[in-house]
Amino acid sequence: RKEVEQDPGPFNVPEGATVAFNCTYSNSASQSFFWYRQDCRKEPKLLMSVYSSGNEDGRFTAQLNRASQYISLLIRDSKLSDSATYLCVVNIYGGSQGNLIFGKGTKLSVKP
Amino acid sequence: EADIYQTPRYLVIGTGKKITLECSQTMGHDKMYWYQQDPGMELHLIHYSYGVNSTEKGDLSSESTVSRIRTEHFPLTLESARPSHTSQYLCASQGIMNEKLFFGSGTQLSVL
Repeated sequence: RKEVEQDPGPFNVPEGATVAFNCTYSNSASQSFFWYRQDCRKEPKLLMSVYSSGNEDGRFTAQLNRASQYISLLIRDSKLSDSATYLCVVNIYGGSQGNLIFGKGTKLSVKP
Repeated sequence: EADIYQTPRYLVIGTGKKITLECSQTMGHDKMYWYQQDPGMELHLIHYSYGVNSTEKGDLSSESTVSRIRTEHFPLTLESARPSHTSQYLCASQGIMNEKLFFGSGTQLSVL
């Protein structure tokens, strides 16, 4: 089982739709969690950190479920500009590979 | 906004050349990383460093080498470039306190 798993998609949704991504992680020593957004041929950029109590930033809501070892990202009222690949990132203290484990990403395509 | 810079942005060279990809950050971050990414594919960690004089290989075997003589500078060198090295190379840095990863704009390398 991979350390961080994401549904690769693509998720093809119409403008205005609500879309949710999940990401599961296998290492219970995982300490912090992030969602990054990556546009085609660009570098990943931090979208939001994920806190235990859940957090919201405008149309984006992130949640963490430690018991089931998954994090989620919800995008409401999706825009054309939301089209990108969304990367789940898990930070493991004391991990052997630089601590940060990236998922393969979920591709989102928002259509008019 | 993160202050991490990569040069060159694009590089096209012939087989057998020695090249160095530059990466510098002005945030005083101890942790720095090099990732390799092909179009539409996942990120692969090839090298990382926890500070000056610290370098480690990542999970993807790479013929490149890195050095960390100064905190702000983490160059990656290919002694003899080959077409199989054609890819995008992304440098990133991470501070101790906030754990967030900041990426440079990447170097798109094409070896002919």
